[in-house]
Amino acid sequence: AQSVTQLDSQVPVFEEAPVELRCNYSSSVSVYLFWYVQYPNQGLQLLLKYLSGSTLVKGINGFEAEFNKSQTSFHLRKPSVHISDTAEYFCAVSVNTGGFKTIFGAGTRLFVKA
Amino acid sequence: EAGVTQSPTHLIKTRGQQATLRCSPISGHTSVYWYQQALGLGLQFLLWYDEGEERNRGNFPPRFSGRQFPNYSSELNVNALELEDSALYLCASSAGLAGYTQYFGPGTRLTVL
Repeated sequence: AQSVTQLDSQVPVFEEAPVELRCNYSSSVSVYLFWYVQYPNQGLQLLLKYLSGSTLVKGINGFEAEFNKSQTSFHLRKPSVHISDTAEYFCAVSVNTGGFKTIFGAGTRLFVKA
Repeated sequence: EAGVTQSPTHLIKTRGQQATLRCSPISGHTSVYWYQQALGLGLQFLLWYDEGEERNRGNFPPRFSGRQFPNYSSELNVNALELEDSALYLCASSAGLAGYTQYFGPGTRLTVL
């Protein structure tokens, strides 16, 4: 069975500071990896995804993530955050089980302070 | 290209009533997924439809049901509403069984009084 663990439920950070949101997964088969962002009272927006190739993936809004197969991690990073980055961030994995099944982490609330 | 759309945006019902939520996927997408996001909780998987068939179901009682129409749009029906059904219901679509990326709609906020 597959699982996704987001290690921090909340991450407070000051504006213009760097941030890392951690995500670990477990799976016995190959996975595709995703990060989504959810602003208050909205749906989820795809930030970035890792399918194959380069382990460093760049997404929208200046975010990037690095796939580490040996550590089964897919941490999300941004070198300098803005107030507008305050949102809920979800890590997700997709596995092919005769059709893709996607499992979401519990989410990490990023709170950017002035 | 239009994204995933959901209607209504907000829905207010009373206990025991039925609610119907609608979702239109991105053009060309054949899979539709439904999730429940209650306050303070993550995304709970409800249902997955592809090509008109139910492919998978989450751990929800039978009063949560749905269907997918020939144009790939979908309905989620919740019967005998309970207070704890109050949540944001999110719909996502993907390009069928080979679609590993889900794209989400804005959600329907269901409030049960």
